[in-house]
Amino acid sequence: GQNIDQPTEMTATEGAIVQINCTYQTSGFNGLFWYQQHAGEAPTFLSYNVLDGLEEKGRFSSFLSRSKGYSYLLLKELQMKDSASYLCAVRDQAGNNRKLIWGLGTSLAVNP
Amino acid sequence: DTEVTQTPKHLVMGMTNKKSLKCEQHMGHRAMYWYKQKAKKPPELMFVYSYEKLSINESVPSRFSPECPNSSLLNLHLHALQPEDSALYLCASSQEERGNNQPQHFGDGTRLSIL
Repeated sequence: GQNIDQPTEMTATEGAIVQINCTYQTSGFNGLFWYQQHAGEAPTFLSYNVLDGLEEKGRFSSFLSRSKGYSYLLLKELQMKDSASYLCAVRDQAGNNRKLIWGLGTSLAVNP
Repeated sequence: DTEVTQTPKHLVMGMTNKKSLKCEQHMGHRAMYWYKQKAKKPPELMFVYSYEKLSINESVPSRFSPECPNSSLLNLHLHALQPEDSALYLCASSQEERGNNQPQHFGDGTRLSIL
């Protein structure tokens, strides 16, 4: 079956670093996306990984290990506005390359 | 502000009403999507259009009827909805021609409440 696991909730302090993990078991793999979603708003694209390694974009970085079925999103210099849900999604190569398999999301609370 | 525009932002309708949700993008994307999202859940794919043709229907009940009049517009026609259909309906779009690493860009959604 298809499965993506993320922690349900995390808490961190303003200015700190937090790592949100995502593990996946899918029948195929054609890339992994991270999205941020504030309550009541649309998901916004953060990062994409298809090859092993680290992708860095400012305060946000994302890592992928295909052999381990594992990714993480690293948020540095946390700000209060980073409080949001973070969704991991895998593009499953089998059958259709436009469908994403979504994790349930990690709700991050950044405290002062 | 997002580059995918959805209207209306909020909609309250009775179970016998007919209404339509609208989505527009001017990024030249040729894939457009409808998702349904319940609180504290990830988006749930409903339909995908590719080059104005329906390519995926995730076994959505016929009370939801999608339409893609042209490459920039996507509609979702609603009829005889049930209270459990109350949710945030998200439209998204993505490029098609440049491989598989193109992210989906989401609109702000329509918050739908069925009385």
